[in-house]
Amino acid sequence: DAGVTQSPTHLIKTRGQQVTLRCSPKSGHDTVSWYQQALGQGPQFIFQYYEEEERQRGNFPDRFSGHQFPNYSSELNVNALLLGDSALYLCASSRGTVEEKLFFGSGTQLSVL
Amino acid sequence: LAKTTQPISMDSYEGQEVNITCSHNNIATNDYITWYQQFPSQGPRFIIQGYKTKVTNEVASLFIPADRKSSTLSLPRVSLSDTAVYYCLVGGQDSSYKLIFGSGTRLLVRP
Repeated sequence: DAGVTQSPTHLIKTRGQQVTLRCSPKSGHDTVSWYQQALGQGPQFIFQYYEEEERQRGNFPDRFSGHQFPNYSSELNVNALLLGDSALYLCASSRGTVEEKLFFGSGTQLSVL
Repeated sequence: LAKTTQPISMDSYEGQEVNITCSHNNIATNDYITWYQQFPSQGPRFIIQGYKTKVTNEVASLFIPADRKSSTLSLPRVSLSDTAVYYCLVGGQDSSYKLIFGSGTRLLVRP
């Protein structure tokens, strides 16, 4: 049973570019949450998708957008990249309710030069 | 949203029991308390979850007092491989499905 898979594992972009990160949830999970983790910090909640809709959003600008597909996989898009967007981007999946534990992928390390 | 407060770091030695306490004074009635462990360059990994009293699994115990304003993660007989960052999260339907990580506790286990 595959866990949460994220792609790519590493990515290097330059300021102003756009990036798309992908996540496949654990089998049986229908909810995907995205987190940004800067070096030495805890993960910061970006948004959560359930039934193909954004259910909740953290304090991130509109440059951060997402999508969930009918098969529950998800994408995170970041436009107009800034140096400060350099971080580990984590995807977590769960089943519907927030009481269900989150299963995290290994993340995508994004470097913006 | 219930905010959590944990010690920034802790040191221990192999074989000792480690207790990490998390404060969550404004926890909501329906909130659960969940602990995660994270190693460098990896995603956090679920350790244990509880609502009240005591919960025990194969790796840890979670103690929650009656007022639920704090919780203590207990790791019995730690080993070097338990060196990691430990996060306490509080969330539930009253938190609108957000799960917010704090800064975590960096545990260093020494030989």
